[in-house]
Amino acid sequence: GAVVSQHPSWVICKSGTSVKIECRSLDFQATTMFWYRQFPKQSLMLMATSNEGSKATYEQGVEKDKFLINHASLTLSTLTVTSAHPEDSSFYICSAEIAGGPYEQYFGPGTRLTVT
Amino acid sequence: GDSVTQMEGPVTLSEEAFLTINCTYTATGYPSLFWYVQYPGEGLQLLLKATKADDKGSNKGFEATYRKETTSFHLEKGSVQVSDSAVYFCALSKDYGQNFVFGPGTRLSVLP
Repeated sequence: GAVVSQHPSWVICKSGTSVKIECRSLDFQATTMFWYRQFPKQSLMLMATSNEGSKATYEQGVEKDKFLINHASLTLSTLTVTSAHPEDSSFYICSAEIAGGPYEQYFGPGTRLTVT
Repeated sequence: GDSVTQMEGPVTLSEEAFLTINCTYTATGYPSLFWYVQYPGEGLQLLLKATKADDKGSNKGFEATYRKETTSFHLEKGSVQVSDSAVYFCALSKDYGQNFVFGPGTRLSVLP
């Protein structure tokens, strides 16, 4: 149980276009989901916390207008990278917390974004 | 700010060898400490955790002890298997289970 999926697993897009990444909790409801970014050989860095039905909370230094997060249901959160640039190329990982606890995050497999 | 440092990989071992992956942290207060494992193509999975000093987390033959005096949480396993090949992340959280700070990860390859 407690499986989180991401789609797509790998995406290539052209500079200036937008790309949407989906994060789904497959067998549980998640009121809170988290989005991380990972550069090669570096740590996962928390980008934002996504709460169902409300606006996401962004970490310092993360552009909210560039990384749009929508948590429209208890099983789905989306991250849209708008006007992508090559420096946005990275590995994006989401995690989800089971509604009502326990407070443990379940991670998706990640999405590799390459912007050309 | 808070941070987690791990030994750089990749670490390559033969099957049945002893494994140690070092992890040290810097944090104010009393964080909880975690080890996560990521197998190829899969999400991070919680391997073990410890919530206070001197606690030992253990799972699947892996162990780690929360050492406050040395601010460490080293991961150990007595006899690794090929199936243990993965990337291992050390992490801390001061809001148990939320607001993680991750180390960079250590890739382990176990050869038959």
